[in-house]
Amino acid sequence: KAGVTQTPRYLIKTRGQQVTLSCSPISGHRSVSWYQQTPGQGLQFLFEYFSETQRNKGNFPGRFSGRQFSNSRSEMNVSTLELGDSALYLCASRVTLGQGRDEQYFGPGTRLTVT
Amino acid sequence: DQQVKQNSPSLSVQEGRISILNCDYTNSMFDYFLWYKKYPAEGPTFLISISSIKDKNEDGRFTVFLNKSAKHLSLHIVPSQPGDSAVYFCAAKNQGGKLIFGQGTELSVKP
Repeated sequence: KAGVTQTPRYLIKTRGQQVTLSCSPISGHRSVSWYQQTPGQGLQFLFEYFSETQRNKGNFPGRFSGRQFSNSRSEMNVSTLELGDSALYLCASRVTLGQGRDEQYFGPGTRLTVT
Repeated sequence: DQQVKQNSPSLSVQEGRISILNCDYTNSMFDYFLWYKKYPAEGPTFLISISSIKDKNEDGRFTVFLNKSAKHLSLHIVPSQPGDSAVYFCAAKNQGGKLIFGQGTELSVKP
């Protein structure tokens, strides 16, 4: 089974621009979550999509948005980029095994640099 | 408000010895806890988990301990190997299904 894939792997953008990142989950996984990783802050939860609907949302400004397609692929968009948006953006697909147990599989991430 | 905290940003251990990584949380409603390991340029990979109804879970060299009264979680690696050198994240799942991660601890195992 192929793992979680994210494109592009690296991206350089200028302040004020917008960016779209893509994530394809493991086949059969319907839940996709997005995280931002910055040094010292760990993984900050952005949002989770399940069957094309946003199921959970973190504490990020409205410049950060996402969507999920019928094939479970997901995109996240950041508008009006700021220097502080430079980070590793990780996508994870999740399957619930029952009894509260989850397995979440991460992609390799997209390294976004805003200059 | 950081609900899951890893207060040690780094830890250095000699090969063959025990590595103990710690994690504290504030929300008593978390019902599931996980540890992830991350190498540079890769996404985190799942390592081990524990339900809030247990106090210990063991998988080979890795054991996770949960102390609910202290709201404290720890990961023990015995014996530590140089290949264990990575950043370790603890995470807690709330009843809404959201995973809250700590800041990570960078483990270095020296030969």
